[in-house]
Amino acid sequence: TQLLEQSPQFLSIQEGENLTVYCNSSSVFSSLQWYRQEPGEGPVLLVTVVTGGEVKKLKRLTFQFGDARKDSSLHITAAQPGDTGLYLCAGARGNKLVFGAGTILRVKS
Amino acid sequence: GAVVSQHPSRVICKSGTSVKIECRSLDFQATTMFWYRQFPKQSLMLMATSNEGSKATYEQGVEKDKFLINHASLTLSTLTVTSAHPEDSSFYICSARDGGLAGEQFFGPGTRLTVL
Repeated sequence: TQLLEQSPQFLSIQEGENLTVYCNSSSVFSSLQWYRQEPGEGPVLLVTVVTGGEVKKLKRLTFQFGDARKDSSLHITAAQPGDTGLYLCAGARGNKLVFGAGTILRVKS
Repeated sequence: GAVVSQHPSRVICKSGTSVKIECRSLDFQATTMFWYRQFPKQSLMLMATSNEGSKATYEQGVEKDKFLINHASLTLSTLTVTSAHPEDSSFYICSARDGGLAGEQFFGPGTRLTVL
């Protein structure tokens, strides 16, 4: 049972397009983190959201945490080939992280 | 962000040998470190939680005698894959937990293990 449902699993888009990745759960998390991972490397932390309803922006990336702290989204505006990678959401439960299945994003030039 | 290193970055070994992987937090102390396994194009699977000065906590289905974890100091945890077999070939990643309120985890660069 996947406690954190992440969608879509795969996304192939053209440079300049917008996209949104979703993470949903029936459980509440104390915080939620988004990571980006490139092949052969470890995940790199993009952002942590803690407060319900919180919105954080990181250049062309916008992260939202649901009011009930059960879901989150990552929106990328005007995607670039450099955004290609595996995006992972992870909810904090106790001292552990519950990971979503990941979204493989490919941005074609 | 905090820096976590892993060594070696890749290792190839013969079946039946043991392999040790080190995970270090370079600029912060980590009372808790985590070991994950990742298959190609998949998410991370938590193997065990490594606590400084005490025994590791293993996730269901992970053999503790197969994957030995030692967390001897606040900056170092080691994972030893004992009597490795080809099915143990994988990408192993460690993380160290920041002690702040959000409890963020910072990941090492991973170790690619190939067992022949």
